[in-house]
Amino acid sequence: DAKTTQPTSMDCAEGRAANLPCNHSTISGNEYVYWYRQIHSQGPQYIIHGLKNNETNEMASLIITEDRKSSTLILPHATLRDTAVYYCIVRVASGGYQKVTFGTGTKLQVIP
Amino acid sequence: NAGVTQTPKFQVLKTGQSMTLQCAQDMNHNSMYWYRQDPGMGLRLIYYSASEGTTDKGEVPNGYNVSRLNKREFSLRLESAAPSQTSVYFCASTITSGTYNEQFFGPGTRLTVL
Repeated sequence: DAKTTQPTSMDCAEGRAANLPCNHSTISGNEYVYWYRQIHSQGPQYIIHGLKNNETNEMASLIITEDRKSSTLILPHATLRDTAVYYCIVRVASGGYQKVTFGTGTKLQVIP
Repeated sequence: NAGVTQTPKFQVLKTGQSMTLQCAQDMNHNSMYWYRQDPGMGLRLIYYSASEGTTDKGEVPNGYNVSRLNKREFSLRLESAAPSQTSVYFCASTITSGTYNEQFFGPGTRLTVL
């Protein structure tokens, strides 16, 4: 799996958009970008994934640069419940087994 | 549909004691994983099972053994617990459908070794 780098921590005002960056400069052509988050003491939770097109679901949007070397997770209207550690991961999407490497992620603090 | 369940939720052991952490999933997933998470750290893979009947070492397998009892269950055993194994242990399973590949995590087991 390609290595990713994320800022250690970020703050965001409640109600504003939270933009979480991730660098994955060694990503391969068949690797997808996945985002998970871990709310205090709970197991990580899937948020979104994408290959090269921008993606949106009910939780977030994912913007991937044209060269695919970086991406941004956007939480459009951050709430206090979005305070969590956010992990950016790259992985091949095919096949059953997936060895996934979680880094230390970005700790997002949403401020009232 | 309970997802991924883990037992126990909390455990305190003395150095040298043994115990087994249980994990079960009811989603018919082939792949299952055990991770540990130390304070302020990311998840580190201990062991994984790509499919029923197979297991392989991850990043930090020393001091642990696993059993993939059947498709649903994947247990983690500490034969002789050490204080360095104090951690939160997460079990996960994976669904793959086309380009969609998601890991589902259990609630974790918080283990303290004195």
